[in-house]
Amino acid sequence: GESVGLHLPTLSVQEGDNSIINCAYSNSASDYFIWYKQESGKGPQFIIDIRSNMDKRQGQRVTVLLNKTVKHLSLQIAATQPGDSAVYFCAENNAGNMLTFGGGTRLMVKP
Amino acid sequence: EAQVTQNPRYLITVTGKKLTVTCSQNMNHEYMSWYRQDPGLGLRQIYYSMNVEVTDKGDVPEGYKVSRKEKRNFPLILESPSPNQTSLYFCASSHHKEHYGYTFGSGTRLTVV
Repeated sequence: GESVGLHLPTLSVQEGDNSIINCAYSNSASDYFIWYKQESGKGPQFIIDIRSNMDKRQGQRVTVLLNKTVKHLSLQIAATQPGDSAVYFCAENNAGNMLTFGGGTRLMVKP
Repeated sequence: EAQVTQNPRYLITVTGKKLTVTCSQNMNHEYMSWYRQDPGLGLRQIYYSMNVEVTDKGDVPEGYKVSRKEKRNFPLILESPSPNQTSLYFCASSHHKEHYGYTFGSGTRLTVV
């Protein structure tokens, strides 16, 4: 899940299993959400996005689910691979021109 | 290759010595933004720019300045750096204000002693 504390929450999964990373967002007026992946030593990379008029969107091996009732976003990664190991951030567009990022979740994939 | 280029990648400086971190994009993006990343706090927006000569404050603008004289460049200026500005900085750009396709640079790790 999301954290703004000193330590990143960590999700450890076995290679080949499915991963679910969760994020709670703060503003019910947010209309656009993005998931980013950040590998060590690199900038965040766009993975998938979803607008508030949708509740599910699928990409290649990834699915984003949006539950506006409880202000919850999740990223599902199918058949997790070692290359998926990274920190994952959710972000919400809540003020027209600004993205607000969550604290991130570290995904560790065990071979 | 479409990219956002930041320089330098690493910088160690002393308190009070003015510095500039450059950011350039080759995608003709209108929107550019600076973030700082600190352990456990995620990415926090410093400043953003909707287009040339249009800039606005983000969540943590204190101690920073920016300029957008050309579409491709968006430098971050620290007039008098302090140790609490030690951080990892990212520049990003996007073609649309909705931020889809947001492209980040590789980051600048700044240490102020």
